[in-house]
Amino acid sequence: GNSVTQMEGPVTLSEEAFLTINCTYTATGYPSLFWYVQYPGEGLQLLLKATKADDKGSNKGFEATYRKETTSFHLEKGSVQVSDSAVYFCALSDLNTGGFKTIFGAGTRLFVKA
Amino acid sequence: DAEITQSPRHKITETGRQVTLACHQTWNHNNMFWYRQDLGHGLRLIHYSYGVHDTNKGEVSDGYSVSRSNTEDLPLTLESAASSQTSVYFCASNPDRDSYEQYFGPGTRLTVT
Repeated sequence: GNSVTQMEGPVTLSEEAFLTINCTYTATGYPSLFWYVQYPGEGLQLLLKATKADDKGSNKGFEATYRKETTSFHLEKGSVQVSDSAVYFCALSDLNTGGFKTIFGAGTRLFVKA
Repeated sequence: DAEITQSPRHKITETGRQVTLACHQTWNHNNMFWYRQDLGHGLRLIHYSYGVHDTNKGEVSDGYSVSRSNTEDLPLTLESAASSQTSVYFCASNPDRDSYEQYFGPGTRLTVT
């Protein structure tokens, strides 16, 4: 079946540091891949997405590239801010094998220190 | 603006009581989902619906039920609350088109004592 594995947290960085959160997936079909972000006390919201191999999703300085050869979708940001402190979830959806359901990773908590 | 709301935002109940969590969306989305979020488990799917009168079990459906009588609402019922059901519950929706992005509500924190 389909699954998502992401690096365990928490990740603690100083402001302006480079961020990488690793995500790998297992899928039998051709899924769409997502990163969602959850700020304290809120629901998840979409950060970025990619729908096919070699696509790069980007938003708010965050980027992730859909790598089919390594089944990965790692999240990166060149210079984090304190306001980026949140929990980040990697996720996938595959209409052919899972309908409109989304499978989420366990989440990675990011703390950014001033 | 269209939105998705959940009520109540916080609930404390006793073991064995029936509890219903409300979810209401104004996007007219056909697809609606209920998840629970627990430390170390991410989000786990409880039930989902692809339209009025359609309901399906997710990976952790035991002890929960849903009904879909209109497009806007998908209430989640805990038939007999158990301490293991203490969690944060999220409702989400998405349109049945070629974007699978899910739109989440703010969550309900449920404590079963």
